[in-house]
Amino acid sequence: EAQVTQNPRYLITVTGKKLTVTCSQNMNHEYMSWYRQDPGLGLRQIYYSMNVEVTDKGDVPEGYKVSRKEKRNFPLILESPSPNQTSLYFCASTSGGMNTEAFFGQGTRLTVV
Amino acid sequence: GDSVTQMEGPVTLSEEAFLTINCTYTATGYPSLFWYVQYPGEGLQLLLKATKADDKGSNKGFEATYRKETTSFHLEKGSVQVSDSAVYFCALQGSGGYNKLIFGAGTRLAVHP
Repeated sequence: EAQVTQNPRYLITVTGKKLTVTCSQNMNHEYMSWYRQDPGLGLRQIYYSMNVEVTDKGDVPEGYKVSRKEKRNFPLILESPSPNQTSLYFCASTSGGMNTEAFFGQGTRLTVV
Repeated sequence: GDSVTQMEGPVTLSEEAFLTINCTYTATGYPSLFWYVQYPGEGLQLLLKATKADDKGSNKGFEATYRKETTSFHLEKGSVQVSDSAVYFCALQGSGGYNKLIFGAGTRLAVHP
């Protein structure tokens, strides 16, 4: 079954404690991205990757890092989380062509206190 | 830059009512247009898409027509069901050469028996 798997689904952490949200896809997709979803703002892209070792900033990259060492994995790293990073996060992957469907993970609800 | 504007929700309807969710966009070139749906507790999934002017996307009784003259992609369904209760996102993919999606804020639909 084609899927994008994120972990954890829920996370409560304290300000400044480094965390990683994992994302893995089993479709051999080249393109992966991270979004955050906030009420009234829809989904905004944080970072994206067009292939292994190729990553770039999206619209709201401040406070986040990513890596793409393997094609299937695209972890999101918050080195020093702050309360304004409390949000719902989604990982997505596509095959890389135009007009193709994006497949989303189930989301990670992060609360930073 | 590119942007998507959706009607604000929530939209509350009775079962079998007609649904319209308005979506307009601003983009250079010829974007592709999408509707994604997010059921409670799940990630987004593609509902339908249209890739050029006057195309009509359809799926599960939902339809949307790509109107370049009005820069719109309104979602419609003739008879909604309780199971259609979800958040609906209009999105565009620009012609910039990679798979970035620009999302609207989302419209929550609640259908009551």
